[in-house]
Amino acid sequence: EAAVTQSPRNKVAVTGGKVTLSCNQTNNHNNMYWYRQDTGHGLRLIHYSYGAGSTEKGDIPDGYKASRPSQENFSLILELATPSQTSVYFCASGDERLFFGHGTKLSVL
Amino acid sequence: GQQVQQSPASLVLQEGENAELQCNFSSTATQLQWFYQSPGGSLVSLLSNPSGTKHTGRLTSTTVTKERRSSLHISSSQTTDSGTYLCAIDGNNNAPRFGAGTKLSVKP
Repeated sequence: EAAVTQSPRNKVAVTGGKVTLSCNQTNNHNNMYWYRQDTGHGLRLIHYSYGAGSTEKGDIPDGYKASRPSQENFSLILELATPSQTSVYFCASGDERLFFGHGTKLSVL
Repeated sequence: GQQVQQSPASLVLQEGENAELQCNFSSTATQLQWFYQSPGGSLVSLLSNPSGTKHTGRLTSTTVTKERRSSLHISSSQTTDSGTYLCAIDGNNNAPRFGAGTKLSVKP
């Protein structure tokens, strides 16, 4: 079974601060994705990657950066966090079938 | 971009009843997956079914590609089936997009 690990599981940040969410997968998938989930919106795609060194914008990339330094790791970076970025963030990997991490609950105060 | 609509938004059943969940999408899909999300939990893939009919356990998915719709049928529902069911469709650039989900509640 594919393993996708997110860290941290919970994060409280201050407005204007920098937040980095990390994701690691151990199944050598080329594709990795970052989504956020909010009530009434389902999962919305923020950034994704086709492999090490590549990042692509999803549907709601504003205010977020992504980094894929290796096949295994994909980070989501909030340079200047805002309260509107309070959400649950999910990382997924998979080249056909998707595998999800447990999610990161982020609160920006 | 790819738009994904799921219906109904919520569904309440008595244990033992069957459930029918719908997913409609706006553009041709090469990948279609159904996921289950427990309350407060992560997503688990149930079925991958871009076309035709697939069965696994009490689940049956039927996708009619040219009509851009898929259904998930849950037979003999159990209380442990309660949660949210989401469908995901790949877009033109192969990044999956999700519907808002159907929240299923099965009463004992």
